[in-house]
Amino acid sequence: DAKTTQPPSMDCAEGRAANLPCNHSTISGNEYVYWYRQIHSQGPQYIIHGLKNNETNEMASLIITEDRKSSTLILPHATLRDTAVYYCIVRLASSNTGKLIFGQGTTLQVKP
Amino acid sequence: GAVVSQHPSRVICKSGTSVKIECRSLDFQATTMFWYRQFPKKSLMLMATSNEGSKATYEQGVEKDKFLINHASLTLSTLTVTSAHPEDSSFYICSASGGASYNEQFFGPGTRLTVL
Repeated sequence: DAKTTQPPSMDCAEGRAANLPCNHSTISGNEYVYWYRQIHSQGPQYIIHGLKNNETNEMASLIITEDRKSSTLILPHATLRDTAVYYCIVRLASSNTGKLIFGQGTTLQVKP
Repeated sequence: GAVVSQHPSRVICKSGTSVKIECRSLDFQATTMFWYRQFPKKSLMLMATSNEGSKATYEQGVEKDKFLINHASLTLSTLTVTSAHPEDSSFYICSASGGASYNEQFFGPGTRLTVL
């Protein structure tokens, strides 16, 4: 699975949009971009995933560049409860093992 | 949504004892379960992948005789840390995939193991 690069930390004001970038320049054509987050001392929580089109759900939006070498997770109105470590992971959705390889992620601190 | 539970949530044990951690998928059949370990301020590290009814596949550097994994049913996997030592103290997290959401992984809440 391709590696990803994320900034180690970001701050965001409560109520504002949080834009979390991820670089995955070695992604292959059949690999998806997944986002998970981990709130302190809890298990990771699935947020969203996509292949090439932009995706939106009740939690967030995922914007993938046309060349698929980078993506941005957008939390439209960040709250204090969104403070967490956000992981961008590239993997084969149809992989027999379905392994998720976690990088260091981005620690998002939402401030009042 | 899919729910995965772990038991116990916290365990403290003496050095040399064995500890069993359970991972259950509550509302779906998990054909595959994964076990991760996370040290403080570090990312999750995949330890092993287990498929129901077959032997687990361990990641490089993970001792299979020390971390025994059993996936005897479609809703239960267990991780046994044998002869635990203080360096095994960590946050152990399982995840499960299967059923209609074959390619999605749903994570348990984690188990905090402290070995004295």
